[in-house]
Amino acid sequence: GNSVTQMEGPVTLSEEAFLTINCTYTATGYPSLFWYVQYPGEGLQLLLKATKADDKGSNKGFEATYRKETTSFHLEKGSVQVSDSAVYFCALNPSTGGFKTIFGAGTRLFVKA
Amino acid sequence: KAGVTQTPRYLIKTRGQQVTLSCSPISGHRSVSWYQQTPGQGLQFLFEYFSETQRNKGNFPGRFSGRQFSNSRSEMNVSTLELGDSALYLCASSLDQQTNEKLFFGSGTQLSVL
Repeated sequence: GNSVTQMEGPVTLSEEAFLTINCTYTATGYPSLFWYVQYPGEGLQLLLKATKADDKGSNKGFEATYRKETTSFHLEKGSVQVSDSAVYFCALNPSTGGFKTIFGAGTRLFVKA
Repeated sequence: KAGVTQTPRYLIKTRGQQVTLSCSPISGHRSVSWYQQTPGQGLQFLFEYFSETQRNKGNFPGRFSGRQFSNSRSEMNVSTLELGDSALYLCASSLDQQTNEKLFFGSGTQLSVL
């Protein structure tokens, strides 16, 4: 079946450090891949997406590349800020039927000033 | 345009009671999905509705049910509440999940079962 696995948190970084949050997936066909972010007390909001192999999604300094050969979609940012503290969710939407987006367990990020 | 609206924001119930949660999607969105979020399990898919039809359902017991109205608003009902049903229930809307559209989430309803 379809599933998403992402690294466990929490991840604690100092401001301006480099961020990587690993995400791998299992899916049949060619799913679309997403990263969502959840700030305290809020629902999730889309951070970036990629719809086919080798696509790079980017937004607000975050990037992720759709790697079909390694079934991965790792999230990266070159220099994190305190305001990036949140929970990050990797997700996929299967290309064949399903009508649902499947989420990973989430990774909490703390950024210290 | 207005975002996804979920009501109520907080609910406190006791075991054995039933509860109804409401979700109003973004205008023009016809797909509404429901998720249960808990600290240990992350986001678990409950069901998805499109044009008043349930197209997919997650692995939850029959106590969890939902429906969608002709204006795309959706309700979720949980009967015979259990302590383990305490969670944040999130509603998300999109143009159509079949076409891999991104989801727009509400702020959720925090349900506490005592």
